[in-house]
Amino acid sequence: AQSVTQLGSHVSVSEGALVLLRCNYSSSVPPYLFWYVQYPNQGLQLLLKYTSAATLVKGINGFEAEFKKSETSFHLTKPSAHMSDAAEYFCAVTGAGSYQLTFGKGTKLSVIP
Amino acid sequence: KAGVTQTPRYLIKTRGQQVTLSCSPISGHRSVSWYQQTPGQGLQFLFEYFSETQRNKGNFPGRFSGRQFSNSRSEMNVSTLELGDSALYLCASSSGDSSGNTIYFGEGSWLTVV
Repeated sequence: AQSVTQLGSHVSVSEGALVLLRCNYSSSVPPYLFWYVQYPNQGLQLLLKYTSAATLVKGINGFEAEFKKSETSFHLTKPSAHMSDAAEYFCAVTGAGSYQLTFGKGTKLSVIP
Repeated sequence: KAGVTQTPRYLIKTRGQQVTLSCSPISGHRSVSWYQQTPGQGLQFLFEYFSETQRNKGNFPGRFSGRQFSNSRSEMNVSTLELGDSALYLCASSSGDSSGNTIYFGEGSWLTVV
């Protein structure tokens, strides 16, 4: 069984500031981890995924995430926030032998000009 | 390469009616899964089909059903609609041959039950 906890349902940052969105997971098997972004009235767009090839994963739009097994974490970061980053972000997990994603509750990111 | 296509995008139904939503996966993908998104419950897995067979099922009542055709296109059906079925229904596709495959989502179908 897998589960995901996203700390902070709403995060606000200033334009140009560091973005840090937290995700902790629980999995009984080696996990595959994903970050998705959802803009208003749209579907989910994949930002990046971890599949055990490398612990630091680079994604689109300048985002990256680091898999830390000891902390069961997969936090999403971006060095400098842009207004266009305002959206809702979802962390998701699946595991070997599973073909369904378990999502966190999401974190809504606001970027203040 | 075309993405995941869902139809219709928006629909309004009356309680007690049924609805069918359609999904065309990315070309070559054999796995199609469905998720329900609501403000209260978030994103919840409904079911997943691979090569016309249901491989996984979430914890939803039997009113929710789906199927997949030989061309990998999928439909989901909700019968006897309830107000609580109002949600964004997202379809996703992947090649389906490994749990680590990238899963791509469509734009969703917005269902309002009145």
